[in-house]
Amino acid sequence: DVVMTQSPLSLPVTLGQPASISCRSSQSLVNSDGNTYFNWFQQRPGQSPRRLIYKVSNRDSGVPDRFSGSGSGTDFTLKISRVEAEDVGVYYCMEGTQWPWTFGQGTKVEIK
Amino acid sequence: EVQLVESGGGLVQPGGSLRLSCAASGFTFSSYWMLWVRQAPGKGLEWVANINQDGNVKQYVDSVKGRFTISRDNAKNSLYLQLNSLRVEDTAVYYCMTTSRSVAHDYWGQGTLVTVSS
Repeated sequence: DVVMTQSPLSLPVTLGQPASISCRSSQSLVNSDGNTYFNWFQQRPGQSPRRLIYKVSNRDSGVPDRFSGSGSGTDFTLKISRVEAEDVGVYYCMEGTQWPWTFGQGTKVEIK
Repeated sequence: EVQLVESGGGLVQPGGSLRLSCAASGFTFSSYWMLWVRQAPGKGLEWVANINQDGNVKQYVDSVKGRFTISRDNAKNSLYLQLNSLRVEDTAVYYCMTTSRSVAHDYWGQGTLVTVSS
């Protein structure tokens, strides 16, 4: 199975400041069809998860443009350009290239 | 509006069984893969099982193979998960979800809690 490793696991941030989360996979996530099925999810306190980013850098519907994804191969990054209060929660990376799809451990984002 | 509503969770003894259901609406159910994802209390997310549009391709995480069975009824817009031989470590909130790897389609239910305890 692919192992997804996130860092940091805890991220205190200041409102209005940028934030960045990294995720590394144990093997390349480039699929045989040429696509890289790498995703980012957000889980706000007490809520179900929701996907923010798919295929490395594509935002899902309704996701604010302050969220951006980048990376390739085995190294990926989620950036929040200016953190808002509603961004508090746990962020998970996830690979969807090979089954079983696996999640990272999660990064808890909180306001300083 | 897409809605996924799970039901069927509850308290069960080790070795027992439960059947989870998920009622879907607001999208063309028969066109998408469906999945179950679980989250143990205070822990992270874990894919459990998925099923293709026709129901003839099913995949399971190793820890539930031979014990859990995923199924769907496209006529009823419903997804199911049969949980047998339950273990304490199966205690979790079980989420029904639909996703596409390639387009902006990813929706989750509110989850249903399964507690395995004597």
